[in-house]
Formats: sequence, structure tokens, C-alpha cells
Amino acid sequence: DGGITQSPKYLFRKEGQNVTLSCEQNLNHDAMYWYRQDPGQGLRLIYYSQIVNDFQKGDIAEGYSVSREKKESFPLTVTSAQKNPTAFYLCASADRLNTEAFFGQGTRLTVV
Amino acid sequence: AQSVAQPEDQVNVAEGNPLTVKCTYSVSGNPYLFWYVQYPNRGLQFLLKYITGDNLVKGSYGFEAEFNKSQTSFHLKKPSALVSDSALYFCAVRVINTGGFKTIFGAGTRLFVKA
Repeated sequence: DGGITQSPKYLFRKEGQNVTLSCEQNLNHDAMYWYRQDPGQGLRLIYYSQIVNDFQKGDIAEGYSVSREKKESFPLTVTSAQKNPTAFYLCASADRLNTEAFFGQGTRLTVV
Repeated sequence: AQSVAQPEDQVNVAEGNPLTVKCTYSVSGNPYLFWYVQYPNRGLQFLLKYITGDNLVKGSYGFEAEFNKSQTSFHLKKPSALVSDSALYFCAVRVINTGGFKTIFGAGTRLFVKA
């Protein structure tokens, strides 16, 4: 089955801790994206990567970090510097021309 | 600035009636436009896209959208709504960025279809 997988589905973090969200795709897509979704708001772009070993900041990158060591994987780390991390996080991938984005099922992160 | 707007937070329709969810955009060049649907606690699912060609685009689940270049709009439509169409709908546009492309999304419109 081709697709994009996010894990875990639910994640709880204590204040002051870093936490890493996983995103894996087997669609052979060059581009991968991380979005944050808050209630009543649309999707806001955190980071994106057009190619392996390269990534760019999106609109709300502060307090987050990413890596793109493999084409299939684009993990997102939510650091303790992110002041309001509780949200629904969505990963997506697309071909180089961005003709259609494929989304994972999301990770709901809650700070306790 | 390149952007996409969904002017309605919520749309209410009765089952069997036609529905329209509005979207306008502002991009340089020829736009790639998309509609996605999201069910609770799930990722987004692709419905349809416009790249070039016929202004009326047909997509999944009986949805269609009309590209109007002069009005810079890409409204989503369905002739007869179902209760199961109730969900959150996002309009999106591809924009050119350093090193490639990225997709930006509207704020979303929640559709309620009443039986």
C-alpha cells in the first residue's frame, strides 16, 4: 500500500520536554511538509522540504526543528521553546511539481 | 501577497439541496487550485484540482468546482447534498517559492448537511 504514515496518533508531553513526531512516506515524493492545525483555524505551514538534506522554514517555524536525511522520512521535533505546542499536526508529501498533496492521519499533541 | 480565502466559516444546507462552498485566491501566474475535505481527527483527503483546461472540474464523491479567472474564484459545488458530506472543506493553491513550490490553504469552511 502506498501512502504516508504519521505516528503516534496521540502524544502527551510534559512542559519543558522535547518530543519528535514521525512522518514516513512510500510514494517516492520529493517534497514533504509539516502543518499545524488549531481549532477554528486553517493549516499553518511549519517546515517543508523539497529534497533530501534540504528544508525551509514555513510561517511558524519557531520552536520546531526538522531533518530530511532520507527521502522517505521527515520527522518533526517540537522543542521546549515552542510556547503553545498543543495542536493537531499534519504531515503531507507531494511530487516535485506539487500537483497534489497526500496527507497522513495526523498526530494530536497535548502538553500536560 | 499570495493567498487563498474562504469567506464563510460555516455553510448549512438541507439534504438533497445543492451546495456551494466559496473560495477566492490571489496568486501570481497561472494557479494550481485544489479542494480537500477533512473528517474529525483525520488528515485531509483530496477532492479535486484545477491545473488547466476546462473550467469545470469534476472530482470525488460527486463534487465539482468551477474555475473563474476573472473573479479569481474556485467555488466547490455539489448538485444534491448528503448528510455524509458534513465535514471541513479546505481550498488550497500552489504557489512558487524558493527552490520549488508549496501549497497554502484557506482557513476552512465547515459544511453541515441536515437531514
